[in-house]
Amino acid sequence: EAQVTQNPRYLITVTGKKLTVTCSQNMNHEYMSWYRQDPGLGLRQIYYSMNVEVTDKGDVPEGYKVSRKEKRNFPLILESPSPNQTSLYFCASTPTGYPYEQYFGPGTRLTVT
Amino acid sequence: AQSVTQLGSHVSVSEGALVLLRCNYSSSVPPYLFWYVQYPNQGLQLLLKYTSAATLVKGINGFEAEFKKSETSFHLTKPSAHMSDAAEYFCAVSETRGGSEKLVFGKGTKLTVNP
Repeated sequence: EAQVTQNPRYLITVTGKKLTVTCSQNMNHEYMSWYRQDPGLGLRQIYYSMNVEVTDKGDVPEGYKVSRKEKRNFPLILESPSPNQTSLYFCASTPTGYPYEQYFGPGTRLTVT
Repeated sequence: AQSVTQLGSHVSVSEGALVLLRCNYSSSVPPYLFWYVQYPNQGLQLLLKYTSAATLVKGINGFEAEFKKSETSFHLTKPSAHMSDAAEYFCAVSETRGGSEKLVFGKGTKLTVNP
């Protein structure tokens, strides 16, 4: 089945403890992206990648890192999480180099205490 | 920068009634336009898209949207609401910024369908 998977789906952690949220797609898509969703703010892009080894900042990149060593994987790294990074995170991918018809993962709900 | 306004963060309709979710964008240059739907505890999925072909676009589950350049609008409609339509709906607009293509999302409209 064509899909975008994220792990973990739920995570509660403490301030400053490094964490990684994994994202993987099995559709051979070039473009991948991370978003955060907050009530009343909609979706905001954190980082995106147009292909392997090519990543760039989105609208809210502070406090996050990403890497794209393989086409299928695009992990999101929080080196030192803070409570304001408590949010619902989505990974998405598209078959072209454009962020339009995106396939979204199921989401990761992160709570930082 | 492009902006997207969805009028009404919450919309409530009765089952069988017309669904109308409003979306306005700011650009004077016709962009690509999208509606995404998010069912509870799921990721977003594409409902329909406008890419400069027909101005009336049909999507999945009986939804359609009409692109009106003069009004910079892309409202989503469905003639008869079903309980399964209860979800949050996001309008999105394409934008070229810093040489890269972006997708700008509205803040979302939560649709409740009452029996």
